[in-house]
Amino acid sequence: TQLLEQSPQFLSIQEGENLTVYCNSSSVFSSLQWYRQEPGEGPVLLVTVVTGGEVKKLKRLTFQFGDARKDSSLHITAAQPGDTGLYLCAGAEEYGNKLVFGAGTILRVKS
Amino acid sequence: EAGVAQSPRYKIIEKRQSVAFWCNPISGHATLYWYQQILGQGPKLLIQFQNNGVVDDSQLPKDRFSAERLKGVDSTLKIQPAKLEDSAVYLCASSLDRGSDTQYFGPGTRLTVL
Repeated sequence: TQLLEQSPQFLSIQEGENLTVYCNSSSVFSSLQWYRQEPGEGPVLLVTVVTGGEVKKLKRLTFQFGDARKDSSLHITAAQPGDTGLYLCAGAEEYGNKLVFGAGTILRVKS
Repeated sequence: EAGVAQSPRYKIIEKRQSVAFWCNPISGHATLYWYQQILGQGPKLLIQFQNNGVVDDSQLPKDRFSAERLKGVDSTLKIQPAKLEDSAVYLCASSLDRGSDTQYFGPGTRLTVL
């Protein structure tokens, strides 16, 4: 069974600070996705990275896929209270789109 | 475009009782997924349908859980009988087809088993 480990589990920071969340595995994934989930809602897809070494930017969010396609990171610049939520990484195992999720990182941004 | 709909949003039952959840995917989406998300964990895939056929149910506890998607649209997930450890949020998701990398999630049903 492929596992994804996320760190840290919980992060509480002040508005304006930068942060990085990590997603690591010993397995190779065909692609890796990052989701954001708010209380009482389902996860919402933020980005999909496919190529080893790929970097994608979404406004203040920067996503990177490791060269070996085993790990990924999410960096948020100048965090805002609206960034508060649960951030989940998920690896796609093979064609068929089966996703394996990490346990998530709870981010709280205080104003 | 309407999103994935789920009902009920909340359900409280006693152990050994039965419960059913309903999901209506996005119109035209061939693939439907049921996930279990226990507090403090990420979602775990229970079952995946392609139209009305099961693609993957390897993590579905088949002694108590069942799911169907008879007409290839709506789906129901049933637990009979429920155990305390079934307390979780049950998420339904859909995607255009198996090769699509985007899954759209519903708001989930929060189940509490007492």
